[in-house]
Amino acid sequence: EADIYQTPRYLVIGTGKKITLECSQTMGHDKMYWYQQDPGMELHLIHYSYGVNSTEKGDLSSESTVSRIRTEHFPLTLESARPSHTSQYLCASSDSIGDTIYFGEGSWLTVV
Amino acid sequence: GEDVEQSLFLSVREGDSSVINCTYTDSSSTYLYWYKQEPGAGLQLLTYIFSNMDMKQDQRLTVLLNKKDKHLSLRIADTQTGDSAIYFCAETPLSGGYNKLIFGAGTRLAVHP
Repeated sequence: EADIYQTPRYLVIGTGKKITLECSQTMGHDKMYWYQQDPGMELHLIHYSYGVNSTEKGDLSSESTVSRIRTEHFPLTLESARPSHTSQYLCASSDSIGDTIYFGEGSWLTVV
Repeated sequence: GEDVEQSLFLSVREGDSSVINCTYTDSSSTYLYWYKQEPGAGLQLLTYIFSNMDMKQDQRLTVLLNKKDKHLSLRIADTQTGDSAIYFCAETPLSGGYNKLIFGAGTRLAVHP
């Protein structure tokens, strides 16, 4: 069983607030990812990291930013949340190229 | 290009077999995955198949891969109400360094008595 954790699981915040979604994994995986999924829709990669101090933009443009200061930690930040940011954000990690990618349980963000 | 397609809905009777189909476009993909998503939850890895395999069986799950037609299927034997969920097919193409998942839109499986 994978050990990848996301907090908060559910969050409702007001427009303009700053929010950080936390993601931690205890498997020592180098590669970590953030996906965004609107209800009933496809998953889209918004950020990924190949290791410490490595961050890349994904296929879907996002106003969020990420950092990777420690192997186990890959937080996602929205400096000023808007209603269009309302979505589910899924964090994932994997060990090496071609290896299985494990997902966290997701963070549901609602911006009002 | 990278594209994964699935039918959006499937309805089956409890106890019957379910077959969820998927087509992908990038023949460079080395691994193909099936994920399950229950309401309000993240994605759970169900199974995966390496591209040089034709079939993989894991308890009630059977994955069939036709690499020539770029067609992947997931068969669930003796489908139960707990199997009701959205099932996502995903590939890992070479263009993503084999480590970026490209997902289909998901197939919503409904199991009725």
